[in-house]
Amino acid sequence: DGGITQSPKYLFRKEGQNVTLSCEQNLNHDAMYWYRQDPGQGLRLIYYSQIVNDFQKGDIAEGYSVSREKKESFPLTVTSAQKNPTAFYLCASSDRRNTEAFFGQGTRLTVV
Amino acid sequence: KDQVFQPSTVASSEGAVVEIFCNHSVSNAYNFFWYLHFPGCAPRLLVKGSKPSQQGRYNMTYERFSSSLLILQVREADAAVYYCACNTDKLIFGTGTRLQVFP
Repeated sequence: DGGITQSPKYLFRKEGQNVTLSCEQNLNHDAMYWYRQDPGQGLRLIYYSQIVNDFQKGDIAEGYSVSREKKESFPLTVTSAQKNPTAFYLCASSDRRNTEAFFGQGTRLTVV
Repeated sequence: KDQVFQPSTVASSEGAVVEIFCNHSVSNAYNFFWYLHFPGCAPRLLVKGSKPSQQGRYNMTYERFSSSLLILQVREADAAVYYCACNTDKLIFGTGTRLQVFP
């Protein structure tokens, strides 16, 4: 089945540790996105990539890093520089014209 | 700054038609997208386009810089967050509208 997969669904980390969230898609989409959602707030764009080996910062990129070495994969690293990393993270992909975004099921990260 | 605006909360009685309004300030965006999001799940596309359209109980109105999502015969199970978005070189989402449905 074609789709976008995020793993793991739940992730716990100790404060000060870097953690990488996985996002894989087999939809042959050029564009991929990472969003963060906090309780009572909307989707905030962290990073996006429109093509392999290229990505741009979104509205809240500080404390995060990404890579886009393969078309299918867009991992997000939450670094120790991110002050409030506990949140629900959503990955999405779309075709080159951004005609529709398909979302993964999300990863809930809890930093203790 | 390119932004999409929508109300934070809309309340409705069950069985009514509820309208969620959205407008944007993105000069080169022509399409609207409406997504349904239950917390902890993947947002789901309801309706999209650059003209008025309908998908089941969901109607989308269209103006160049604004759109409304109308949900017909709203149910308690429709209580969720609804996102409006438009597209340029990226998808730009609004902050979401929480729909409350009262019996």
